[in-house]
Amino acid sequence: EVQLVESGGGLVKPGSSLTLSCVASGFTFSSYGMHWIRQAPKKGLEWIALIYYDSSNKYYADSVKGRFTISRDNSKNTLYLEMNSLRSEDTAMYYCAKSGLGTWYFDFWGPGTMVTVSS
Amino acid sequence: ETTVTQSPASLSMAVGEKVSISCKTSTDIDDDMSWYQQKSGEVPKLLISEGNTLRPGVPSRFSSSGYGTDFVFTINNVLLGDEGIYYCQQSDNVPFTFGSGTKLEIK
Repeated sequence: EVQLVESGGGLVKPGSSLTLSCVASGFTFSSYGMHWIRQAPKKGLEWIALIYYDSSNKYYADSVKGRFTISRDNSKNTLYLEMNSLRSEDTAMYYCAKSGLGTWYFDFWGPGTMVTVSS
Repeated sequence: ETTVTQSPASLSMAVGEKVSISCKTSTDIDDDMSWYQQKSGEVPKLLISEGNTLRPGVPSRFSSSGYGTDFVFTINNVLLGDEGIYYCQQSDNVPFTFGSGTKLEIK
């Protein structure tokens, strides 16, 4: 059974940093692209980052480019999101999601971790 | 960037009715459109993936059609348990973009 479990969220002040983690199990993590997707309170879904299975390529939404960094450790089955220069508009539930093989839809999602940016 | 325009924003349907949701894209995305259901307080769930492919375990009441820039998601014989928000998502090019969502209420 595929499982994705995020952690690392919390309440932080504007301008600060935070790193999220997502531990994967139940599939061959090193074979799949992985994503971070966020959802602000009462708002829709926003894709924010993709990393290829082998970390060879990374892509970001313009809203986070230059501030967020996606990475992975295939030996630990773990996906990361390093978030710097956080803003109030980054307040959201952050989900990690698995790609379909060779595709870019999101077939499994973690339960999410909440990030609140407030002074 | 491909913009995805989803309509309507909300629907109120009776049990047994047919639901139709539209997504239009600003660029040609072939059939790289997927559909998700998010029930209240839950994580989004993939219902239909690229190529109008119904995911395993998803009832055949759910279907989709479309190619290029115009896509339609359909629920036949809607049930009370289908209440939630439905999103479309294009996976043709980065940034991957979602529609704004359609909130489905069952009367």
